[in-house]
Amino acid sequence: AQSVTQLDSHVSVSEGTPVLLRCNYSSSYSPSLFWYVQHPNKGLQLLLKYTSAATLVKGINGFEAEFKKSETSFHLTKPSAHMSDAAEYFCVVSLLNTGTASKLTFGTGTRLQVTL
Amino acid sequence: NAGVTQTPKFRILKIGQSMTLQCTQDMNHNYMYWYRQDPGMGLKLIYYSVGAGITDKGEVPNGYNVSRSTTEDFPLRLELAAPSQTSVYFCASSSRGAEYSNQPQHFGDGTRLSIL
Repeated sequence: AQSVTQLDSHVSVSEGTPVLLRCNYSSSYSPSLFWYVQHPNKGLQLLLKYTSAATLVKGINGFEAEFKKSETSFHLTKPSAHMSDAAEYFCVVSLLNTGTASKLTFGTGTRLQVTL
Repeated sequence: NAGVTQTPKFRILKIGQSMTLQCTQDMNHNYMYWYRQDPGMGLKLIYYSVGAGITDKGEVPNGYNVSRSTTEDFPLRLELAAPSQTSVYFCASSSRGAEYSNQPQHFGDGTRLSIL
């Protein structure tokens, strides 16, 4: 079984300050991990993905995430928040399925608010 | 490229009515998915398809039906709309499935459905 927990439902930061969105996962096997971003009234867009290569993954718009197996974590960070980063962020885990389609398990989301 | 296109964007239904949510993708992806997103929750998989003519149930299939007659299209049908089906529905596609669990899914912008 697999699961993912996003530790904060809401995070508020000031523009120009660092962003940290926390995610822990549970998996019986080596997972693939993703962060998706959802802007209001839009679909989900892939930010970055971890697929057992480098543990530090760089994504779009200056975001990066570090896979820590010992902590079962995949936290999302950005050095300096921008107003346009305000959105909902989803941590997602994917495993090989016994079926024929990859199954994604979504966290409940973290809403990032960026203030002036 | 348009990517994944969903229609309509918004719809209000009365209890007991039926409707079809349309989804089409132009990326020649074999794998397509339907999710629902409820407030404060992650996405839940309704149905998925690994190719034309092949569909299977996800986590929450009750009250829905799907078909996949072409690679491009994957419509979702609600036969007897119920208030519990008020949600935002997302269609997604990917190039590969379980054997390549690191393949991200591409999402449409969603259909916001209210059942009154």
